[in-house]
Amino acid sequence: AQSVTQLDSQVPVFEEAPVELRCNYSSSVSVYLFWYVQYPNQGLQLLLKYLSGSTLVKGINGFEAEFNKSQTSFHLRKPSVHISDTAEYFCAVKDNFNKFYFGSGTKLNVKP
Amino acid sequence: SQTIHQWPATLVQPVGSPLSLECTVEGTSNPNLYWYRQAAGRGLQLLFYSVGIGQISSEVPQNLSASRPQDRQFILSSKKLLLSDSGFYLCAWRRDGDYGYTFGSGTRLTVV
Repeated sequence: AQSVTQLDSQVPVFEEAPVELRCNYSSSVSVYLFWYVQYPNQGLQLLLKYLSGSTLVKGINGFEAEFNKSQTSFHLRKPSVHISDTAEYFCAVKDNFNKFYFGSGTKLNVKP
Repeated sequence: SQTIHQWPATLVQPVGSPLSLECTVEGTSNPNLYWYRQAAGRGLQLLFYSVGIGQISSEVPQNLSASRPQDRQFILSSKKLLLSDSGFYLCAWRRDGDYGYTFGSGTRLTVV
């Protein structure tokens, strides 16, 4: 079984600063990788996904993530955050058996 | 287009009372359906999934149950709620071959 680690439970950052949310998974066997965003009291919304091809994936709201197979990482980045980016972000992995594994989430708190 | 509906949005129930949460998907047929629970400060835990009418797989032992009486309807139930059942419950669907989920807006359940 896979495990997904989001090392930072909370990330405070000032508006317009860059941010990186870290995600590591347990196996380098072929996997599909996702980032979801959850605004307060809402469901999860897909930000971006890596299936194959270019290791740099661009998503919605100016976010991007880079798949690093050797480091089994899929960190999420944004060069300049907005107050509206305040939310919880989940990294997820889908394995070859169609099972999804979610990280424990990182709460991004953007301050003015 | 496909939409997923989940209700109620919030629910406060006493310990020992029954539970019924409903999820329906529109605009698709034979979706794979999922119930997740998100406890405070923790990630998402897969509770049940269903690949067809009447087919339910349980991922973790608990006092909850799930049913799929119709193709696009997924119900989460309990005969007697426990305090530990409190959390945010998310329904999700995925088409066979799709790589990501679409989540409902969630139900916040507080057992008192």
